[in-house]
Amino acid sequence: DADVTQTPRNRITKTGKRIMLECSQTKGHDRMYWYRQDPGLGLRLIYYSFDVKDINKGEISDGYSVSRQAQAKFSLSLESAIPNQTALYFCATSDTGTLSQETQYFGPGTRLLVL
Amino acid sequence: DAKTTQPPSMDCAEGRAANLPCNHSTISGNEYVYWYRQIHSQGPQYIIHGLKNNETNEMASLIITEDRKSSTLILPHATLRDTAVYYCIVRVAGFQKLVFGTGTRLLVSP
Repeated sequence: DADVTQTPRNRITKTGKRIMLECSQTKGHDRMYWYRQDPGLGLRLIYYSFDVKDINKGEISDGYSVSRQAQAKFSLSLESAIPNQTALYFCATSDTGTLSQETQYFGPGTRLLVL
Repeated sequence: DAKTTQPPSMDCAEGRAANLPCNHSTISGNEYVYWYRQIHSQGPQYIIHGLKNNETNEMASLIITEDRKSSTLILPHATLRDTAVYYCIVRVAGFQKLVFGTGTRLLVSP
């Protein structure tokens, strides 16, 4: 079983619709992240959470919101989807652990198309 | 976090060593060098990281120059499954954000 799961894996929606992407992890990690990737580009950080009561904006948070429902769950919402939010979205987790050993573990991704 | 520079693409023959360079000339003394890879739209996968000493694990070796301004990721015996985009990232330990650039697209051919 995968340690970091994302649902849905693929989604097509229309401009103006509200959608939610969900991420769950069984690794017991405190820290969770949402990234987006556009074709031919690297990943960009949208939001991150260091524990259930902590939410932080990343590089490109405009148009997005998040909810950390539990240690294991971190959801990303697009309140009113627009075409330039068409992208591949990744959730990731990391453990506090030894600071220099921090490694992020990524989910399989959600491919979102906004028409 | 310091900026990194990588070649956009590289080729390697199967079974040969793949040497992927990364320049990080503005790296600070407390910044680590991390390598991740992404195989065709899958989630990125951690490979290795280091501060100033060379490191080796079951996947790869990391060679960091003495002045720490550049590093090389070495895949000793590349296979077709190593075809991926490889990202070099520098970051401060304990500050958890990863800033991904555009990476190096490695193509391993038979």
